[in-house]
Amino acid sequence: TQLLEQSPQFLSIQEGENLTVYCNSSSVFSSLQWYRQEPGEGPVLLVTVVTGGEVKKLKRLTFQFGDARKDSSLHITAAQPGDTGLYLCAGNSGSARQLTFGSGTQLTVLP
Amino acid sequence: DADVTQTPRNRITKTGKRIMLECSQTKGHDRMYWYRQDPGLGLRLIYYSFDVKDINKGEISDGYSVSRQAQAKFSLSLESAIPNQTALYFCATSESGTGSRIYGYTFGSGTRLTVV
Repeated sequence: TQLLEQSPQFLSIQEGENLTVYCNSSSVFSSLQWYRQEPGEGPVLLVTVVTGGEVKKLKRLTFQFGDARKDSSLHITAAQPGDTGLYLCAGNSGSARQLTFGSGTQLTVLP
Repeated sequence: DADVTQTPRNRITKTGKRIMLECSQTKGHDRMYWYRQDPGLGLRLIYYSFDVKDINKGEISDGYSVSRQAQAKFSLSLESAIPNQTALYFCATSESGTGSRIYGYTFGSGTRLTVV
């Protein structure tokens, strides 16, 4: 069973601060995705990373895939209240034909 | 209209009742999925379907069944609902991938199910 562990589980910060959340596994992943979920809605895809060491940027969000493709991080610069939400990582490894999701990091950005 | 539509959005049902959750999509995707979300447990896969004739169990399929009526429709049934099936249920779709490649999922807005 693929297991994705996300940390921290909860994070509350002030507007303007920087933060990093992590997604770790003992399995090697073919690809890894990050989603954001807002209350009352389904998760929305932010990014997909497929190559070890890959870095992708989406405005103030920076995503990195570990060299060994076992971990990933999401860094947010100058967080804003609109960044508040549940951040989920998801990946597939081996012969799996569907995604396994982590339990998420609940981020709250206070104005 | 939303790309992935789930009905109903909210439902309260009694223990032992049969209930069906419906999902339809306009994305034209072959692959469809049902997940449940519980606080602290993330999203767990119930069933998935890669086309109308290809339906597979996920990690928590016990107590659930599915029907893929058409490429665009995938319904989830609880034959005899029990309180620990109280959860948020999501339907998702994705394009077909090649090899180990999995494309991003498009989720519906979810169904909040309460079994009393």
